[in-house]
Amino acid sequence: GQNIDQPTEMTATEGAIVQINCTYQTSGFNGLFWYQQHAGEAPTFLSYNVLDGLEEKGRFSSFLSRSKGYSYLLLKELQMKDSASYLCAVRGNYGQNFVFGPGTRLSVLP
Amino acid sequence: DAGITQSPRHKVTETGTPVTLRCHQTENHRYMYWYRQDPGHGLRLIHYSYGVKDTDKGEVSDGYSVSRSKTEDFLLTLESATSSQTSVYFCAISDEGARGNTIYFGEGSWLTVV
Repeated sequence: GQNIDQPTEMTATEGAIVQINCTYQTSGFNGLFWYQQHAGEAPTFLSYNVLDGLEEKGRFSSFLSRSKGYSYLLLKELQMKDSASYLCAVRGNYGQNFVFGPGTRLSVLP
Repeated sequence: DAGITQSPRHKVTETGTPVTLRCHQTENHRYMYWYRQDPGHGLRLIHYSYGVKDTDKGEVSDGYSVSRSKTEDFLLTLESATSSQTSVYFCAISDEGARGNTIYFGEGSWLTVV
């Protein structure tokens, strides 16, 4: 089976740092993805990890440990516009099989 | 932005009627997907296509059919709409090789079945 877990909701303060965790158990692994989704909009791509370690892109960083089935998305210098849902997704063994987690709804407070 | 267009964007229909949602891409990507998104369930795969006339079922395919007669178009049909199919439907595309490192989403189609 395939299972991806994320916290349902998180709250943080503007200017702070927040870490959103994702654990996965999937049949095969060919990459882990993070997406941002604002309410009423489509998910948009944030980051991609296929090897262990940290990928940094501006205020956003994503970490992967394949042996632990674990990833996190780190958001620095939080802004109000970062209030959104963050989706973790894994591409499995065959074809382009993407499986999405339930998403974490982040609220950034002033 | 990826060139993905969904139509209609919003639709209200009656129980028992057939409904077709259209996804059109201008990226010439090989793979196309239909997902539905519901509170508490996240994005769930309905059907996907890996080429013209090549489709396969996802985890929530009951009550849905798809067709792909051209690379750029992927149609999702609700054969006889039910209230449980009220949802937001997202089309998505991806490709192989270096371009296979992400999946891109259309803007979504909001369907209400009354």
